[in-house]
Amino acid sequence: NAGVMQNPRHLVRRRGQEARLRCSPMKGHSHVYWYRQLPEEGLKFMVYLQKENIIDESGMPKERFSAEFPKEGPSILRIQQVVRGDSAAYFCASSPQGDNYGYTFGSGTRLTVV
Amino acid sequence: AQSVTQPDIHITVSEGASLELRCNYSYGATPYLFWYVQSPGQGLQLLLKYFSGDTLVQGIKGFEAEFKRSQSSFNLRKPSVHWSDAAEYFCAVATDSWGKLQFGAGTQVVVTP
Repeated sequence: NAGVMQNPRHLVRRRGQEARLRCSPMKGHSHVYWYRQLPEEGLKFMVYLQKENIIDESGMPKERFSAEFPKEGPSILRIQQVVRGDSAAYFCASSPQGDNYGYTFGSGTRLTVV
Repeated sequence: AQSVTQPDIHITVSEGASLELRCNYSYGATPYLFWYVQSPGQGLQLLLKYFSGDTLVQGIKGFEAEFKRSQSSFNLRKPSVHWSDAAEYFCAVATDSWGKLQFGAGTQVVVTP
């Protein structure tokens, strides 16, 4: 049973480009959470999704960031027109229906904006 | 507003010595509390969690934590550390029923021979 799979592990983008981060939850998990970890800081909540629904996006920056979790396929965190301040580690976690705190984290995507 | 504070940014401990990591929270109701460990380049692994009941919680890898409501603390302990315990440790509190977590800034643990 594979864990939470995130790809790519490392992503380098030039300022102004788009970044797409993918997260495949554990088999049987229907809840996905995205967190961002800036250097020297803890993780900050970004967004919580269920299949085809955004439940809580209170931690998402108002512009350039979007997330989806389609009926089929992985969850995608999309950052348009990246800036240097977007450089961070982005972690995805999934949990099963009925156990919102039963998180399993992925290994993260390290985004570097040059 | 809820908050989680880890007062120690960095701790150095000798292999075989005991370890205690501090965590203080600010939360109106009975909190759900967690400790996670992050090895370099890896995701977070859950060590233990407290929801209710016995205030001394046992976790994986020989760790335990004690919930003290009067002190708003949830300190993590290990009686004898191993070199493999070198990592960053995060305390977290659940801030709503959806499962959203608020994390502390983390404590980096270095283990010396």
